[in-house]
Amino acid sequence: GEQVEQLPSILRVQEGSSASINCSYEDSASNYFPWYKQEPGENPKLIIDIRSNMERKQIQELIVLLDKKAKRFSLHITDTQPGDSAMYFCAASRSNNRIFFGDGTQLVVKP
Amino acid sequence: DMKVTQMPRYLIKRMGENVLLECGQDMSHETMYWYRQDPGLGLQLIYISYDVDSNSEGDIPKGYRVSRKKREHFSLILDSAKTNQTSVYFCASNRDWGSYEQYFGPGTRLTVL
Repeated sequence: GEQVEQLPSILRVQEGSSASINCSYEDSASNYFPWYKQEPGENPKLIIDIRSNMERKQIQELIVLLDKKAKRFSLHITDTQPGDSAMYFCAASRSNNRIFFGDGTQLVVKP
Repeated sequence: DMKVTQMPRYLIKRMGENVLLECGQDMSHETMYWYRQDPGLGLQLIYISYDVDSNSEGDIPKGYRVSRKKREHFSLILDSAKTNQTSVYFCASNRDWGSYEQYFGPGTRLTVL
């Protein structure tokens, strides 16, 4: 099946700066790339997703970039706030098949 | 309001006991999942169900079995629980068309002593 690699595993940034999380995938047929945020003790929640017919998507301070040729996608959080501190998971999926998750990035935003 | 429920939320069992974790969704989603998540780690897929009585193994099915007799319910069963099955278990569901967003339940924290 698909393999999704996610880096870094831990990311510490200063409040107000940007944070970037990078993921790569192997299956060129993957066409759906969601990002989930999981706060301590909570369940993962979808925060943004991108499909293979797009290269960039932005929702407020969240930007997702997709490079299909390189099979890489990334999440960028601009102007980070303490409330952005959480575990973030990238994932890749082919149509309605299972979603393959990365191992997660622990984001710590320091005040 | 789309919702996935899990019962119980917390469970303590002794090694060798049977465990039943229940999941429900009110969205008529065809596909449902069981994951486990160990502290600080990612989500490991245990089983997928594509509809009633249509279940497939995920990446770590050993020691687990599932049952789906109604579309809205998906159960995870541990026959003779082991201490290394102590974990947080998440159920999730999604449609097979349109949006592929997975909706996660609140999780069940299982401790096997």
